[in-house]
Amino acid sequence: EPEVTQTPSHQVTQMGQEVILRCVPISNHLYFYWYRQILGQKVEFLVSFYNNEISEKSEIFDDQFSVERPDGSNFTLKIRSTKLEDSAMYFCASSSGNTIYFGEGSWLTVV
Amino acid sequence: DAKTTQPTSMDCAEGRAANLPCNHSTISGNEYVYWYRQIHSQGPQYIIHGLKNNETNEMASLIITEDRKSSTLILPHATLRDTAVYYCIVRVAGATSNDYKLSFGAGTTVTVRA
Repeated sequence: EPEVTQTPSHQVTQMGQEVILRCVPISNHLYFYWYRQILGQKVEFLVSFYNNEISEKSEIFDDQFSVERPDGSNFTLKIRSTKLEDSAMYFCASSSGNTIYFGEGSWLTVV
Repeated sequence: DAKTTQPTSMDCAEGRAANLPCNHSTISGNEYVYWYRQIHSQGPQYIIHGLKNNETNEMASLIITEDRKSSTLILPHATLRDTAVYYCIVRVAGATSNDYKLSFGAGTTVTVRA
């Protein structure tokens, strides 16, 4: 069964460092998303991406965040200068326009 | 956005049916009801969705009331591996008709006991 894959599964980074989280969405899907979940809290929407541009973003998705689909298969989330409060599980998701399917997540720890 | 209300937690006996209620009294006529679950901080897993009619797949059944103000997810034969947080979500339309986001609440923590 096709699935969304994410790398790395876990990353520890120092505050202020740049981080790139990578995702391979399900092939033939057109809509891509990033969500995050801070430990013990709800799953929160960050950004949606369609037709090579951001279609919607939340208040969390400030200038420190960016997304890119560099090669037609990968979908990346970049955090330019990480803060302690960016520590969370980040979920990539994709959809063909109906059901959204999530990856297993990348756990980011900022120290 | 149509909000959903779910019980905070519930227990279920292994092998028995688990009935998970959800209220969505402000749902609009063209909004779907989606159910996901999250097992111990793994990625949310799609279970089922519906608009008006009852739906069934290999994982569960979804019963939507005629007025669409509430629904029930039924896990027919709960196993220990069904222990998870279950989210009832009303699909919120995004920037385009097929581009939508899911707004997760706190969900129902379901514990299946042997």
